[in-house]
Amino acid sequence: KQEVTQIPAALSVPEGENLVLNCSFTDSAIYNLQWFRQDPGKGLTSLLLIQSSQREQTSGRLNASLDKSSGRSTLYIAASQPGDSATYLCAVTPITSGTYKYIFGTGTRLKVLA
Amino acid sequence: NAGVTQTPKFRVLKTGQSMTLLCAQDMNHEYMYWYRQDPGMGLRLIHYSVGEGTTAKGEVPDGYNVSRLKKQNFLLGLESAAPSQTSVYFCASRQGAEAFFGQGTRLTVV
Repeated sequence: KQEVTQIPAALSVPEGENLVLNCSFTDSAIYNLQWFRQDPGKGLTSLLLIQSSQREQTSGRLNASLDKSSGRSTLYIAASQPGDSATYLCAVTPITSGTYKYIFGTGTRLKVLA
Repeated sequence: NAGVTQTPKFRVLKTGQSMTLLCAQDMNHEYMYWYRQDPGMGLRLIHYSVGEGTTAKGEVPDGYNVSRLKKQNFLLGLESAAPSQTSVYFCASRQGAEAFFGQGTRLTVV
């Protein structure tokens, strides 16, 4: 059974720091991995989607990498800002799911201090 | 472009009451999903649909029913609400690689 783990559960950093959020999954048979952002009381906003054949995706200050063989993905945030404070979720789509169901991690709650 | 819209956004129910949550998408997506989000447990799949007229159970289906009579709508029903169903409910739709989520429905059962 696919399991997705995100460590740490919470992270607090000063503004301007570069930081890395980690996501690990137990089964490498995935279609893709997606990173989401969730603000308190809000829905999920898609940040980056990495297909299984890709190694990384970039959008602005965000870079996500994928290493399927080791079951890991990292989300790199450059020059963090207070507006980056949110919960970050990763989710994988297992190939065995057949219907593109997501398996979510429990998230990393990030706080960037001004 | 509305994307995925959930109604209502908030609701308080008494134990034993019933209600229906509505999810509507305007992207003509085939796949639709209902998740619940609880503290420390992430998002868990309740039910899903792979097209109009189809539904299937997810990870935590007990106490819920769903219907997909029209492609754009996916309804989640609670027949007899229980305090354990207090949660935030998210609907998502998907066509291909990327999914789009609604803003959530915060449900409290007292």
